[in-house]
Amino acid sequence: KAGVTQTPRYLIKTRGQQVTLSCSPISGHRSVSWYQQTPGQGLQFLFEYFSETQRNKGNFPGRFSGRQFSNSRSEMNVSTLELGDSALYLCASSPGTESYEQYFGPGTRLTVT
Amino acid sequence: AQSVTQLGSHVSVSEGALVLLRCNYSSSVPPYLFWYVQYPNQGLQLLLKYTTGATLVKGINGFEAEFKKSETSFHLTKPSAHMSDAAEYFCAVSITGANSKLTFGKGITLSVRP
Repeated sequence: KAGVTQTPRYLIKTRGQQVTLSCSPISGHRSVSWYQQTPGQGLQFLFEYFSETQRNKGNFPGRFSGRQFSNSRSEMNVSTLELGDSALYLCASSPGTESYEQYFGPGTRLTVT
Repeated sequence: AQSVTQLGSHVSVSEGALVLLRCNYSSSVPPYLFWYVQYPNQGLQLLLKYTTGATLVKGINGFEAEFKKSETSFHLTKPSAHMSDAAEYFCAVSITGANSKLTFGKGITLSVRP
């Protein structure tokens, strides 16, 4: 099976712009979670989507949003980018029903200048 | 709420030596526990997990961990370090299975000296 894919791998944006990141989960997986990784804060949970519905949400401002499509692919959007949004954004997929492992993609490295 | 503590940010061992990476958790309900490894410029790879049952769990690449409820610990060990083990290791906790939110520790960087 192909693993979790994320596009793009690298992105440079200017403060105030918005950005959309994409994640394709492992075939058959219905749950997609997003995490932000920074040197200062470590790995922090953003949100989880299951069958097109947001099932859980972390403590991030409303500028961070996401959605999931019927084929389980997910996108996350960050509006009005700030310098502090520079991070590695990781997507993880899991079957979503009583399965505990999450499988991570390689991440999208976002740099905000 | 659950939390994970990984003491120290860096561990250095000689090749062939024992690897011991410590993880303590806090959870108000029985936890599910995980160890992940991250190599430079890559995502996270699952090493092993504890959900229920046997408290000593074996993972990939010769790693294992033991769940000790009385000590709220889930330390990761490997009898003999290899150069390829050099990476960052994260301990994580989840409180339910179907709800996939993971809470991670700060991570420990493992260096292996030749």
